[in-house]
Amino acid sequence: GENVEQHPSTLSVQEGDSAVIKCTYSDSASNYFPWYKQELGKRPQLIIDIRSNVGEKKDQRIAVTLNKTAKHFSLHITETQPEDSAVYFCAAESSTLGRLYFGRGTQLTVWP
Amino acid sequence: KAGVTQTPRYLIKTRGQQVTLSCSPISGHRSVSWYQQTPGQGLQFLFEYFSETQRNKGNFPGRFSGRQFSNSRSEMNVSTLELGDSALYLCATRLRTGGGDTQYFGPGTRLTVL
Repeated sequence: GENVEQHPSTLSVQEGDSAVIKCTYSDSASNYFPWYKQELGKRPQLIIDIRSNVGEKKDQRIAVTLNKTAKHFSLHITETQPEDSAVYFCAAESSTLGRLYFGRGTQLTVWP
Repeated sequence: KAGVTQTPRYLIKTRGQQVTLSCSPISGHRSVSWYQQTPGQGLQFLFEYFSETQRNKGNFPGRFSGRQFSNSRSEMNVSTLELGDSALYLCATRLRTGGGDTQYFGPGTRLTVL
């Protein structure tokens, strides 16, 4: 099956700095890559996603890049704010297996 | 549209008991997945149902089971509860299995096993 690795497991940045979270996947048939944000005590919520026919996608301060050849994708958050503090999960959907495989999460802390 | 709902939100059980959790999907969603979330363990996949059929299954013992009804509502059952089953159980729904559809999570059921 698919294996999704996510790094780092914890990330601390100063407000205003950028944060980057990286994920790798193993199944070349994976073609959909969502990112979820989970604030403390709340449900995971989709913040951005990308499909395998696109190399980059941006939504205001958040961007995701995908390198299909290297089988890795990354989340970039610019101008971080304290409210960006949360656990972020990457995921990959295998077109052959039809399910999402999640990374283990990254605890992002943004210090004011 | 109403979001994904889960009942109950909190549950306290003792070892050896069994428990049933319920998930009502967003209207029109036919795929329901279940996850176990414990501190430091991320989202552990339990199983996924689509049109009343289990399509995928994670690496959990047979004590964990599920089903889906014709209205797409899903239940999961844990029998012979163990202390290690204490966790947040999340369900997530989407239009179909695969296809890159957005998966929406419910608020979760917090299970505590004493």
